Amino acid sequence: EAQVTQNPRYLITVTGKKLTVTCSQNMNHEYMSWYRQDPGLGLRQIYYSMNVEVTDKGDVPEGYKVSRKEKRNFPLILESPSPNQTSLYFCASRREAGGVQPQHFGDGTRLSIL
Amino acid sequence: DAKTTQPNSMESNEEEPVHLPCNHSTISGTDYIHWYRQLPSQGPEYVIHGLTSNVNNRMASLAIAEDRKSSTLILHRATLRDAAVYYCILRASRRGAGNMLTFGGGTRLMVKP
Repeated sequence: EAQVTQNPRYLITVTGKKLTVTCSQNMNHEYMSWYRQDPGLGLRQIYYSMNVEVTDKGDVPEGYKVSRKEKRNFPLILESPSPNQTSLYFCASRREAGGVQPQHFGDGTRLSIL
Repeated sequence: DAKTTQPNSMESNEEEPVHLPCNHSTISGTDYIHWYRQLPSQGPEYVIHGLTSNVNNRMASLAIAEDRKSSTLILHRATLRDAAVYYCILRASRRGAGNMLTFGGGTRLMVKP
């Protein structure tokens, strides 16, 4: 089944403790991205990747890192998480970087930073 | 990206058609109209997209005004599982600049049994 898989689905942690949210897609998609969703602010893009080893900042990249060493994986790294990064995170992928194909989203990761 | 305007919420009865409107008066010639929906506790899900002509798929129909300044997502027979937030999004077909989807507030559809 074609899907985008995020792990963990839920995480409660403390300020400053490095964490990684993994994202994997099995559709051989070129394009992957991370969004965060907050009440009243909608979904905002954090980082995106147009292909392996190509990443760039979205609208709200501060406090986050990403890497794209393989086509299928696009982990989101919080080196020193802070409470304002408490949010619902979604990973998404699309067949090509350009074009208008649909984006496929994971089921989300709910992070709570205490 | 051009902005879209949608009603905050709408209600429908089960098994009746639902017409979800979207205004996009500043749409440019290269902007495609996309619709996504987000069910409770899930990620956004693609519904349909189009450029100028009306489009149909297994989930819904998309009716696009002749001047392209508005569009309507049509669910032919609403079910309880269609209760979700529906987002109308414009996206140009071009490479670069993140090609992100800009999600606005969307329309929360409530379906009554």
